Amino acid sequence: AQSVAQPEDQVNVAEGNPLTVKCTYSVSGNPYLFWYVQYPNRGLQFLLKYITGDNLVKGSYGFEAEFNKSQTSFHLKKPSALVSDSALYFCAVRVEGSSNTGKLIFGQGTTLQVKP
Amino acid sequence: NAGVTQTPKFQVLKTGQSMTLQCAQDMNHEYMSWYRQDPGMGLRLIHYSVGAGITDQGEVPNGYNVSRSTTEDFPLRLLSAAPSQTSVYFCASSYQGKIGYTFGSGTRLTVV
Repeated sequence: AQSVAQPEDQVNVAEGNPLTVKCTYSVSGNPYLFWYVQYPNRGLQFLLKYITGDNLVKGSYGFEAEFNKSQTSFHLKKPSALVSDSALYFCAVRVEGSSNTGKLIFGQGTTLQVKP
Repeated sequence: NAGVTQTPKFQVLKTGQSMTLQCAQDMNHEYMSWYRQDPGMGLRLIHYSVGAGITDQGEVPNGYNVSRSTTEDFPLRLLSAAPSQTSVYFCASSYQGKIGYTFGSGTRLTVV
């Protein structure tokens, strides 16, 4: 079954420290991977995507993500966290080239808390 | 302004009532989807469409109907509302799903 997992419900980091939000996936075919962020009482905002090419993808607000095919992971990273990065983060996968083309499946979300 | 527009933003229904959540996009996107967001469960796909006249079920389709008569609109119908359908509903659209999905601001639905 196709799925996306975010193993941590919450990640706590101090401002200025590096952060990592983990994501693993299980799909058939080539995965299109996405990260989204949701601020309180708001919709989801697109951060970055991996389709093909370089395994390190750079996105909005200084975030980047590393695609690792052998570990089926797509972890979100940022070298120096800001208090304003505190939000709910979602990993998502869309499968290309299967009967399920067009479906975007989300993980359960990880709350990032950055403390001053 | 270009984007995904959802109406209404808030709605309270009584059990058994029906209603339609509206979703419209003006970006000529082929792909449109409906999700529900519940605490601790992330976003779950209800129905999706890859173009006008084409729809398919997602993970939690029961109790919901959709149709896609135009590229722009993708309404979600609750035929007989139940308290279990209390949730925040998001509509999203994408051009072939390759450049990221654009989300609406959501509809907060309460069924009493």
